[in-house]
Amino acid sequence: GNSVTQMEGPVTLSEEAFLTINCTYTATGYPSLFWYVQYPGEGLQLLLKATKADDKGSNKGFEATYRKETTSFHLEKGSVQVSDSAVYFCALSDYSGYSTLTFGKGTMLLVSP
Amino acid sequence: EAGVVQSPRYKIIEKKQPVAFWCNPISGHNTLYWYLQNLGQGPELLIRYENEEAVDDSQLPKDRFSAERLKGVDSTLKIQPAELGDSAVYLCASSFTLGSSNTGELFFGEGSRLTVL
Repeated sequence: GNSVTQMEGPVTLSEEAFLTINCTYTATGYPSLFWYVQYPGEGLQLLLKATKADDKGSNKGFEATYRKETTSFHLEKGSVQVSDSAVYFCALSDYSGYSTLTFGKGTMLLVSP
Repeated sequence: EAGVVQSPRYKIIEKKQPVAFWCNPISGHNTLYWYLQNLGQGPELLIRYENEEAVDDSQLPKDRFSAERLKGVDSTLKIQPAELGDSAVYLCASSFTLGSSNTGELFFGEGSRLTVL
């Protein structure tokens, strides 16, 4: 079945540091890939997505590239801010087009001033 | 535009008691999901509705869990009787599906946190 593996957290960084959160997946066919973010006290919200190999999703300074050869979708940001502190979830949807998402366990990011 | 609304936000009950959670999706969204999120884990699908029809309930523990989506809008998730292991956050999400196509973006509510004592 489908599965998503994320690096364990928490990831602790100082403001303006470079961020990478690793995500690898196992799936049949050609899934779409997503990063969702959950800020403290809020619901999950979509951060970015990529629907086919070599696509790059980007939003709010975050980027992730769909790498089919390595089955990865690592999240990166060049300079994090305190306001980026949240839990980040990598997810995939099956190829059928219906969006039943399979999520990773989440990675907590803590950014200090 | 209002987002996905869930209630209650928090619920504390004793084991063997019943509990119900309510979800109002974003207007116009025909697909509704209930996810379970245990502490330190990612959300796991319990059930997915396309309008009124439950099209994927394979992960719903049917001995104690039930769900309904009357009229294809609001939905209720019920647990009866609750067990200690049911303590978790219950998330509702919605999206718009046209035919067999969906953008993949789910809109989540803030969740209902259940504590079973």
